[in-house]
Formats: sequence, C-alpha cells, structure tokens
Amino acid sequence: AQTVTQSQPEMSVQEAETVTLSCTYDTSESDYYLFWYKQPPSRQMILVIRQEAYKQQNATENRFSVNFQKAAKSFSLKISDSQLGDAAMYFCAYRSPNYGGSQGNLIFGKGTKLSVKP
Amino acid sequence: NAGVTQTPKFQVLKTGQSMTLQCAQDMNHNSMYWYRQDPGMGLRLIYYSASEGTTDKGEVPNGYNVSRLNKREFSLRLESAAPSQTSVYFCASRRGPGSETQYFGPGTRLLVL
Repeated sequence: AQTVTQSQPEMSVQEAETVTLSCTYDTSESDYYLFWYKQPPSRQMILVIRQEAYKQQNATENRFSVNFQKAAKSFSLKISDSQLGDAAMYFCAYRSPNYGGSQGNLIFGKGTKLSVKP
Repeated sequence: NAGVTQTPKFQVLKTGQSMTLQCAQDMNHNSMYWYRQDPGMGLRLIYYSASEGTTDKGEVPNGYNVSRLNKREFSLRLESAAPSQTSVYFCASRRGPGSETQYFGPGTRLLVL
C-alpha cells in the first residue's frame, strides 16, 4: 500500500524568507499524482500545487514550487517570499491512477504546521 | 458557484445517537468522498462514490454508512455515535477520470460525548 510521510511536524519561517517542507512517499507504481494542500485555521482544504509523475518539469504556482525527485520518491514544497497568510497546516497527498481500484482516492501525510514570524 | 457545501458546521451528539452529515456539490462532478481528520493523523478516507449509484469503502468505514442520493449529494450517516467518532469530517468531489484534483468542503466538526 502507498504511504506518505511528512517528517517535519512543525516548521517556522521569517516573513519574506524561503522555507521548504519535506514529503516522501512509497509506491510501486510508475504513474501517479502528487499534491500539496494548505489548511489554514478556517480548516478549509485549499489546493496549493500538483505534480504529475510522468512530467519531469517541477510544477510552480507563483511563490510555490516543488522539487520532485521521482527516483528518491521525494516531493518537497518550497515557499518563497513567505507571507503571514502562508501560516497553516500543509498536507502532502498521493493519488494512484488506478481507477479500477482506488477511484482517485487521496492518501495524505500527517501534515506540517508552518508558522510565519513577522 | 458554491463548490462543495457541508451541513451542519458543528454538532454535538451523545453516545448512541444517530445523525446524518450532508454534502452537496454544484460542479457536476462524478466522484465524491468522505474523509475524517483527527489530530496528528492527517485525513483518512471513510467512503467514496466513484459515480452516481455506486459507493465503496475507504480506509476507515466502520461505524458509518453513506448514500449517494443523486449526482449532487453524498451523505454520511452515523447510526450509533461513539466518542471515537469525534472528529472533523470533510466531503470532497472530483470531476472524474482525466481530472486529478479533489475539491473540499469546509468541514463538519463533530463532538460525541
């Protein structure tokens, strides 16, 4: 079974600085999808960025970018120019393309709580 | 366009009581999901519905039932609530094959005494 591990329960970053959140996963599949979701205190789950495993190019969305290392099964999130509004829980998630079995189900890591210091 | 909506936002139950959590989406999505979120555990899948008329168990289905009422609505029922079911419940939807992203509702906080 696939697993997702976030080894940093908490992280802290100074406003305007850069921070990297780590995520590793375990799978025997070659094609899959990876996501980072943000959960602010409102508890709403917000998609930050996604990566298709078949794409070599790392995904970017404004200040958010990923470092996808397929061979190492690593999927880290880099937040540049951190802002106070970035403070939240961040969850890494994996999805198998196996529509017959998982039907697009997400497997989540336990999350990293990010604090941003002014 | 409301996206995914959930009711109620918060509920307190006594052990043994029953209740239904409601979820609706207005994005014409085919697949819908129910997750629970416990402290330090991340989100875990309870049940999902790949399409209207089908439901399947996820990782933690015990103590729950679901109904895919129509394409828009997917409800989660607790027949006899237990303190272990105290959690935050999230509903999510996805367009279907070829679409990779799940969109989440705001969550329902449930406290079972």
